Amino acid sequence: AQKVTQAQTEISVVEKEDVTLDCVYETRDTTYYLFWYKQPPSGELVFLIRRNSFDEQNEISGRYSWNFQKSTSSFNFTITASQVVDSAVYFCALSEISGYSTLTFGKGTMLLVSP
Amino acid sequence: NAGVMQNPRHLVRRRGQEARLRCSPMKGHSHVYWYRQLPEEGLKFMVYLQKENIIDESGMPKERFSAEFPKEGPSILRIQQVVRGDSAAYFCASSPLRTSGRDNKRTGELFFGEGSRLTVL
Repeated sequence: AQKVTQAQTEISVVEKEDVTLDCVYETRDTTYYLFWYKQPPSGELVFLIRRNSFDEQNEISGRYSWNFQKSTSSFNFTITASQVVDSAVYFCALSEISGYSTLTFGKGTMLLVSP
Repeated sequence: NAGVMQNPRHLVRRRGQEARLRCSPMKGHSHVYWYRQLPEEGLKFMVYLQKENIIDESGMPKERFSAEFPKEGPSILRIQQVVRGDSAAYFCASSPLRTSGRDNKRTGELFFGEGSRLTVL
């Protein structure tokens, strides 16, 4: 069974603050994929990143960075110098590599960035 | 290159009516997934289809829900005799299937549509 836990239901920050969204997962598979998606108020799902379980190198993309720690089964997401446009619900997801890509999502973390 | 297209974006039904949600996958994709997002919840997998085949429907409620992906035309998620608890956002995703070079297992990226929001009065 796979499970994704996003313990933070809602986070409020002021613009320009750094913020980290936590994600902890459970899986019995030795190889898997981890994802982050953004869901802005308009409702669509925006793909942010996919990470292979065999690649523990951290990744940075502009103001976004991801910290993958296989030892603690965590895949945390940090936004540096947050902006109002970052306000959204962020979902962490897990996909076991079993021939097709069924995703298990966490319940999401709502990020509110105020001016 | 059009993305995954879902329609309608918003649908309102009264209890007992039928709801039909359509999904056209990205060009070249032959795999379609349906997910449901209940209020305040993450997305939950419902069903995975390939053309004319249901591959995995382990997430589908046993009654009133059905899905198809015909040889021609979009995939359709059909909810009969809707109840208030069916109110949710329904997301469709499509995927090509390609081989992963690292571990020789097949995997595909999912591309999501913008969702169809069903409201049952």
